[in-house]
Amino acid sequence: QKEVEQDPGPLSVPEGAIVSLNCTYSNSAFQYFMWYRQYSRKGPELLMYTYSSGNKEDGRFTAQVDKSSKYISLFIRDSQPSDSATYLCAMSAGNAGNMLTFGGGTRLMVKP
Amino acid sequence: ETGVTQTPRHLVMGMTNKKSLKCEQHLGHNAMYWYKQSAKKPLELMFVYNFKEQTENNSVPSRFSPECPNSSHLFLHLHTLQPEDSALYLCASSQELVSTDTQYFGPGTRLTVL
Repeated sequence: QKEVEQDPGPLSVPEGAIVSLNCTYSNSAFQYFMWYRQYSRKGPELLMYTYSSGNKEDGRFTAQVDKSSKYISLFIRDSQPSDSATYLCAMSAGNAGNMLTFGGGTRLMVKP
Repeated sequence: ETGVTQTPRHLVMGMTNKKSLKCEQHLGHNAMYWYKQSAKKPLELMFVYNFKEQTENNSVPSRFSPECPNSSHLFLHLHTLQPEDSALYLCASSQELVSTDTQYFGPGTRLTVL
C-alpha cells in the first residue's frame, strides 16, 4: 500500500464547475498538508498549506483536512481553463526536517 | 534570474556517459533538494542538503552523486545510468530544513537514458 494515495485522473470538467481533488494517507503522524500545482514542463508550485485538521480558504481554493479519516481535499470553485494542471498533494510529519511525501498527482482539465 | 533554475532542461545520454545536472537558487535559501519524478509515480526525494551538508540520502544508487559547493548551487553527477533512470529530475530549495518552510521547485531536467 502506498503511503499517500491519489487518483491520477484525468479529471475533465467544464469551465465554471466546482472541482474536488482528494488524497488519502496511511501515516497518522502526518501533520502538515500541502497542495502543489504543476503545469506541463514546469516544476510544482505550492498552492495551499494546512497544519493539522480543518479548513483553509484562499480565493477560489479551499483545502480541507480530516485527520480522523486520513483524508484531505482541495476544492476549486469557478474553475478556469488556466487551472488545467496536475495537482499533487504532499504531507509531512514535521519530525524529520522538511521531508515531504507526495501523492502521484491528479491531472485536471478544465474545458472552455 | 529569479527563483530556482535548472540546466540543462533536456538531456539525452547513453548508459556509458557521464553528465551533470545543475541547480541554482536565487532565493537566499539554506536547504536544497533533489527529487526524481517518473511517469505515473509520486515524486521521490533523493538527496537533501542543509548549509552545504548532506542530511539525507534516500537509498539512492551510487551512480547518482550529488555535490553542493555552496548554499546556492547543487549538482547531480550521473554515470553509467540505466534506462529506468529516465525521468524528470527536480531541484527544490527552502529557507531552512523545517516543515513550515515552503519548498520552491525548479522547472526540472528531463533526462532520457538510451
